[in-house]
Amino acid sequence: AQSVTQLGSHVSVSEGALVLLRCNYSSSVPPYLFWYVQYPNQGLQLLLKYTTGATLVKGINGFEAEFKKSETSFHLTKPSAHMSDAAEYFCAVRASFGNEKLTFGTGTRLTIIP
Amino acid sequence: ETGVTQSPTHLIKTRGQQVTLRCSSQSGHNTVSWYQQALGQGPQFIFQYYREEENGRGNFPPRFSGLQFPNYSSELNVNALELDDSALYLCASSPNPGGNTEAFFGQGTRLTVV
Repeated sequence: AQSVTQLGSHVSVSEGALVLLRCNYSSSVPPYLFWYVQYPNQGLQLLLKYTTGATLVKGINGFEAEFKKSETSFHLTKPSAHMSDAAEYFCAVRASFGNEKLTFGTGTRLTIIP
Repeated sequence: ETGVTQSPTHLIKTRGQQVTLRCSSQSGHNTVSWYQQALGQGPQFIFQYYREEENGRGNFPPRFSGLQFPNYSSELNVNALELDDSALYLCASSPNPGGNTEAFFGQGTRLTVV
């Protein structure tokens, strides 16, 4: 079984500051990991994903995440926050074997302070 | 190519009624998954359809049922609505089930049960 824990339901950063959203996962098999963003009254948009290969993954809008197996983490970062980054962010995990579902964390609401 | 579209966008139903939500998958995608997102929570997997067959189910009661049609569009049906069924229902399509493929989400249907 897979599970995801997102530390911090709300994160506030100043415009131009580093964004760090934390995600820890639990998986009985090698995982595939995803970060999705959700803007108000919208569906989910994929920011980036880790499947195999390079552990540092670059996504859209300047976001990146690093898969650290030893720490079972997949934290999302962006060097410089922009007002348009204000949204809800979800980390998700899926087993790399079989037809498993996506399991989501409870989300982190990111607020950008002007 | 068109994305994932869901209808209706908003819906208000009375407790005990039945509801049908619809989803048109992205062109070329044969797999549709449905998720329930309660307010302030991450999406939770309801079930997945692959080539018109149910291909996995989450922890939801049988009054949640679905269909997938030959054109890979899908319906989610909920019978005997309860107040706790109020949520955003998200449909996601993908080229095939599971694995490292990206799931593309629609904007969701906001269901309110009164």
